[in-house]
Amino acid sequence: EAGVVQSPRYKIIEKKQPVAFWCNPISGHNTLYWYLQNLGQGPELLIRYENEEAVDDSQLPKDRFSAERLKGVDSTLKIQPAELGDSAVYLCASSPGTSGRAQDTQYFGPGTRLTVL
Amino acid sequence: AQSVTQPDIHITVSEGASLELRCNYSYGATPYLFWYVQSPGQGLQLLLKYFSGDTLVQGIKGFEAEFKRSQSSFNLRKPSVHWSDAAEYFCAVGDNQGFKTIFGAGTRLFVKA
Repeated sequence: EAGVVQSPRYKIIEKKQPVAFWCNPISGHNTLYWYLQNLGQGPELLIRYENEEAVDDSQLPKDRFSAERLKGVDSTLKIQPAELGDSAVYLCASSPGTSGRAQDTQYFGPGTRLTVL
Repeated sequence: AQSVTQPDIHITVSEGASLELRCNYSYGATPYLFWYVQSPGQGLQLLLKYFSGDTLVQGIKGFEAEFKRSQSSFNLRKPSVHWSDAAEYFCAVGDNQGFKTIFGAGTRLFVKA
C-alpha cells in the first residue's frame, strides 16, 4: 500500500513569492490534515478536511495561506506571498475514518521542507 | 486546553541499553495518548496509542508506554535500544471530545556504539 505522497520534497523561494505544496493521501482515506512543523517543534495543525470539506481551519493564517481538496482526494496548500517566517516543514497526513476524531490513526507523508530567503 | 511537555530535548544512550522518554500531559479528562517516531527526512510513524483499558501499552519495534494518571505521564520505554532507533520521538495528546491532537516538541534520541 502506498503511503501519503507529498511534493515537492524541498522548495527554496524568495520572500514575497508564491509557493504550493501537493499531497496525495492514502487511497480511501477520507480525512486529510496539513501540519506545520517548525524546527525543533512538533507538528501544529493548519487545516483538517473530511472529504472535500474543510472542517477545521481555525489555525490557518487566511491572509496568506489557502488550501483546497478537490473531489475529496488530493490536496494543495498554497502560500502567497511567502514570508521569511514561513520556513518550515509542511506535513500532510491522512486517516481512514470519516469522523476525524483524535483517536483515528494518522499516517504522515515525508513533508515538504520550505526555505524562504 | 490540552498540552504536552517532553522535558528532554535530546537523550543519548548506548546501543543495547534501556531507554525511557518522558512525556507529561495536561488535560481535564482521560486523554487519548500517542507516541510517534520521525526519522530524518521521513514523516511521523505511530509507535503506539492509549485510549482506555490496560495502562501498559505495547507498540511496534519493541516499544511500550505506561499511562500514569496520578502523574499525568505517558513515558515511552524500550528494554534494549538499537542503532536504528536513533530518531525524533513525539508524544501527542488528543482530546476525547473533539478532534484536536497536540504534539509535544519532541525528544531527539542519539544512540552510541
